[in-house]
Amino acid sequence: LAKTTQPISMDSYEGQEVNITCSHNNIATNDYITWYQQFPSQGPRFIIQGYKTKVTNEVASLFIPADRKSSTLSLPRVSLSDTAVYYCLAAPYQAGTALIFGKGTTLSVSS
Amino acid sequence: NAGVMQNPRHLVRRRGQEARLRCSPMKGHSHVYWYRQLPEEGLKFMVYLQKENIIDESGMPKERFSAEFPKEGPSILRIQQVVRGDSAAYFCASSPPASAAYEQYFGPGTRLTVT
Repeated sequence: LAKTTQPISMDSYEGQEVNITCSHNNIATNDYITWYQQFPSQGPRFIIQGYKTKVTNEVASLFIPADRKSSTLSLPRVSLSDTAVYYCLAAPYQAGTALIFGKGTTLSVSS
Repeated sequence: NAGVMQNPRHLVRRRGQEARLRCSPMKGHSHVYWYRQLPEEGLKFMVYLQKENIIDESGMPKERFSAEFPKEGPSILRIQQVVRGDSAAYFCASSPPASAAYEQYFGPGTRLTVT
């Protein structure tokens, strides 16, 4: 079973900010929150990861409150090319750990 | 640095035949993972290998499925006597020796269709 819960789908328009929330009530102390993006007919691609507070890179921001029971992936000013499935995962910082994927959130961006 | 390579990209097999899926990890990566994705589903872990060793095969069906990662050459996922339920996308991922668990680089996948 996936350790995380996220909405099945979201819709947005180009230029808007999109926030996808992920619940992980029973996250383990040594788990990091990780987000992957998957386009149709492609393998998943790592986007961002964090343990606590806020992390930002060139693609997205990740907000994790102090209790770590949830997190929010923020995509600024989405474009049509951001249409994809986004997976929220909890994984320990340990090589060789299998990633547990849920069904993810299908983000559809329209013009 | 080339990414993870998988071949073939598409594979059609009749029921009862064998399917062989190949995965070449990124240069310098010694960890290989195989995942299976059914339509409209998330990826499901199958097996984790290092060179010449199967480390974790807890997600692999006990029968008909096997995997290897030889000292030389690609990792191979082998499915014997395929059935329609084996139709899925099979993804390989690789990671460097001392990386975090989340740092897995995925290939484009092999789409297996069993007729």
